[in-house]
Amino acid sequence: DVVLTQTPVSLSVTLGDQASISCRSSQSLEYSDGYTYLEWYLQKPGQSPQLLIYEVSNRFSGVPDRFIGSGSGTDFTLKISRVEPEDLGVYYCFQATHDPNTFGAGTKLELK
Amino acid sequence: QVQLQQSGAELAKPGTSVKLSCKASGYTFTSYYIYWVKQRPGQGLEWIGYIYPGNGGTYYSEKFKGKATFTADTSSSTAYMLLGSLTPEDSAYYFCARRGYSAYYWYFDFWGPGTMVTVSS
Repeated sequence: DVVLTQTPVSLSVTLGDQASISCRSSQSLEYSDGYTYLEWYLQKPGQSPQLLIYEVSNRFSGVPDRFIGSGSGTDFTLKISRVEPEDLGVYYCFQATHDPNTFGAGTKLELK
Repeated sequence: QVQLQQSGAELAKPGTSVKLSCKASGYTFTSYYIYWVKQRPGQGLEWIGYIYPGNGGTYYSEKFKGKATFTADTSSSTAYMLLGSLTPEDSAYYFCARRGYSAYYWYFDFWGPGTMVTVSS
């Protein structure tokens, strides 16, 4: 199975700071069709996960432009510029290139 | 609007089974995959597998083969997951999620609120 390694495990920030989360895959996530099925989800406390980014860098409808996804192959990053209170929670990367699909272990974004 | 309604919390004894439901509304049920995801309290997300209600096709993570069984009732737009031979390690929240798409892109665009399963004697 593909292992997604997220770092850091937790991230303490001050509101308005930039945050950066890494997701490293044990195999390339580029599919034979040329697309890379790497997504980012945020799970706020007590809620279901919500989609932020799909196909590495595409923001889902309604997601603020302070969320920026990047990367290729095996290395991916989610950057949040100017963290706001509603951004707090656990971030997961997810790959759907290989079966079984897998989630990263999560990165908890919290206030300093 | 798209909604996924999940069944209520379950308390079950070890060795028994529970059947969780995920009722879809606001879209054509047979045109989208439904995925199931496990989350133990305070832990991360774990991918179980999926069903395509259009033809009943399923795929299971190796870890959940023999543990989970997916079915779908197209007349009621409801997906089900049967969890069998329950042990305390099955105690968790279980989410259903729609695998949406746009052109060549796929993603989980809608999630159910989750069903808590507690396995205890």
